[in-house]
Amino acid sequence: GENVEQHPSTLSVQEGDSAVIKCTYSDSASNYFPWYKQELGKGPQLIIDIRSNVGEKKDQRIAVTLNKTAKHFSLHITETQPEDSAVYFCAASKRNAGNMLTFGGGTRLMVKP
Amino acid sequence: DVKVTQSSRYLVKRTGEKVFLECVQDMDHENMFWYRQDPGLGLRLIYFSYDVKMKEKGDIPEGYSVSREKKERFSLILESASTNQTSMYLCASSLPGPRGYTFGSGTRLTVV
Repeated sequence: GENVEQHPSTLSVQEGDSAVIKCTYSDSASNYFPWYKQELGKGPQLIIDIRSNVGEKKDQRIAVTLNKTAKHFSLHITETQPEDSAVYFCAASKRNAGNMLTFGGGTRLMVKP
Repeated sequence: DVKVTQSSRYLVKRTGEKVFLECVQDMDHENMFWYRQDPGLGLRLIYFSYDVKMKEKGDIPEGYSVSREKKERFSLILESASTNQTSMYLCASSLPGPRGYTFGSGTRLTVV
């Protein structure tokens, strides 16, 4: 089955700096890669996703890149703000009956004012 | 605003009790999922369902069962609660994939 590894497990940056979180996946058939943000006391919320037919996607201060050959994808957050502090999860999926996502272990991002 | 609602935010149960965690979604989603979240272990899939009365085991189904009698409701059952089932439980739903999930806010269960 699919295995998703996520690094780093914790990341501390200064407000205004950029943050990068990286994930690798094992199943070359995976074709959908979402990213979730989980704030304290809440469920994870989808913030951006990318499909295997594109290499990069951007939404304001966040972007995701995908390298299918190397089987890794990354989340980039620019001009970080204290409200970006949260746990971020990557995930991978391929077309299947249940739309099962395999999640990475999570990254706790701390943005220091 | 679309929603996945979990019936309880916090629950405290005794060892050996039968525990029901309820999840309701208002988006007419076919797929529903139960995950548990533990520090250092990320999100682990317990069970999922891609249709009414259908269920599939995830990665850690032992000690759990599920029920999906109606499309909008997916229940997780702990047949005999044990202390190692103390955890945060997250319910999610989605349309047929691959696509993202909508998660509920979670139920923090403590078994004493």
